[in-house]
Amino acid sequence: LAKTTQPISMDSYEGQEVNITCSHNNIATNDYITWYQQFPSQGPRFIIQGYKTKVTNEVASLFIPADRKSSTLSLPRVSLSDTAVYYCLVDPPQGDDKIIFGKGTRLHILP
Amino acid sequence: EAEVAQSPRYKITEKSQAVAFWCDPISGHATLYWYRQILGQGPELLVQFQDESVVDDSQLPKDRFSAERLKGVDSTLKIQPAELGDSAMYLCASSPARAYEQYFGPGTRLTVT
Repeated sequence: LAKTTQPISMDSYEGQEVNITCSHNNIATNDYITWYQQFPSQGPRFIIQGYKTKVTNEVASLFIPADRKSSTLSLPRVSLSDTAVYYCLVDPPQGDDKIIFGKGTRLHILP
Repeated sequence: EAEVAQSPRYKITEKSQAVAFWCDPISGHATLYWYRQILGQGPELLVQFQDESVVDDSQLPKDRFSAERLKGVDSTLKIQPAELGDSAMYLCASSPARAYEQYFGPGTRLTVT
């Protein structure tokens, strides 16, 4: 099972760049790395997914080193509305391994 | 934009009663997931379907929980009998295939008294 480890909480200020790192030492060769955002009383929402190197979309960037044992979600110029819980998970496209959401990182953006 | 539908949104039931949740995934999505989320924790995968087949149900308490997706479309999760510790948010998600973006429904908040 590819478990993940993230910081429990982080604080930052509006307008700053926030980087959240996740470790996944047991990631398998075919696994993808996916990040979700969750607000209170809502289901998680997909942010970004990657396999290796760097992926960027309109809301975030994902950096994955060559050994793929960690990944970093980068949120540029955060706002108060980015206050949420962020989950990193390893996503197996096949086989018996299952998806595991960890405890997530509680990000608190301050004005 | 297509959404995952879940019902009911809220359910209060007494201990030892039966309860059922329904999920209608986004049309064409082959993979369907049921999660349980206790307050302050991350979602825990209960069961994963690929079409009508179960891919993983290793965390489903099979003595009291059951899940089905008979025609590979909508799905039902049942608890019988409910216990106090089952109080949680039950989330359904769907995706076009495994390891694709999951789309989550609004969830069903279950309170067992």
